[in-house]
Amino acid sequence: RKEVEQDPGPFNVPEGATVAFNCTYSNSASQSFFWYRQDCRKEPKLLMSVYSSGNEDGRFTAQLNRASQYISLLIRDSKLSDSATYLCAPNGNKLSFGAGTTVTVRA
Amino acid sequence: DAGVIQSPRHEVTEMGQEVTLRCKPISGHNSLFWYRQTMMRGLELLIYFNNNVPIDDSGMPEDRFSAKMPNASFSTLKIQPSEPRDSAVYFCASRGGVREKLFFGSGTQLSVL
Repeated sequence: RKEVEQDPGPFNVPEGATVAFNCTYSNSASQSFFWYRQDCRKEPKLLMSVYSSGNEDGRFTAQLNRASQYISLLIRDSKLSDSATYLCAPNGNKLSFGAGTTVTVRA
Repeated sequence: DAGVIQSPRHEVTEMGQEVTLRCKPISGHNSLFWYRQTMMRGLELLIYFNNNVPIDDSGMPEDRFSAKMPNASFSTLKIQPSEPRDSAVYFCASRGGVREKLFFGSGTQLSVL
């Protein structure tokens, strides 16, 4: 089993819609997580850090389900500018990322 | 702060040539990571250093790949000899501690013909 697995998508949604996707992890000892956003041909940039059961930052909500070992990201009222690939990584000494989930928001 | 600085931004070379990618981490950061990204494999961790010491190089694909960190402000990733399947974007990233977030450089787009 891979350390981190993500649904690659793509998720194609209209502006204003809500979109959510998951990231599963294999190490049950993982305590905190990162969500990064990557635009085409650019470097990944931090979107959110998640240290407990979840975190909310504006239109973005991350929720952690330790029993099932996954972390989700929900985007409310999606904007065209939310179109990107979203990468997750359990925090630790070794930072391995999932392959990413691609989201496309259409007008 | 200048952020993580990588050079070159683009590298085009011929199969069999040696390629050296360079990275300057953010000052004060004690961990440095090298990643490779392709459409097929996503973002793969190649190797990471703590306090200039290589900790885990299990992601390095072959002996053709080597990485060094001679001091806290500089690291190199070398491929010798290069092959067309090495074509990818190579990212360097650094952070200040285990619970700290990771900052990425702009990447090096490598094309091996």
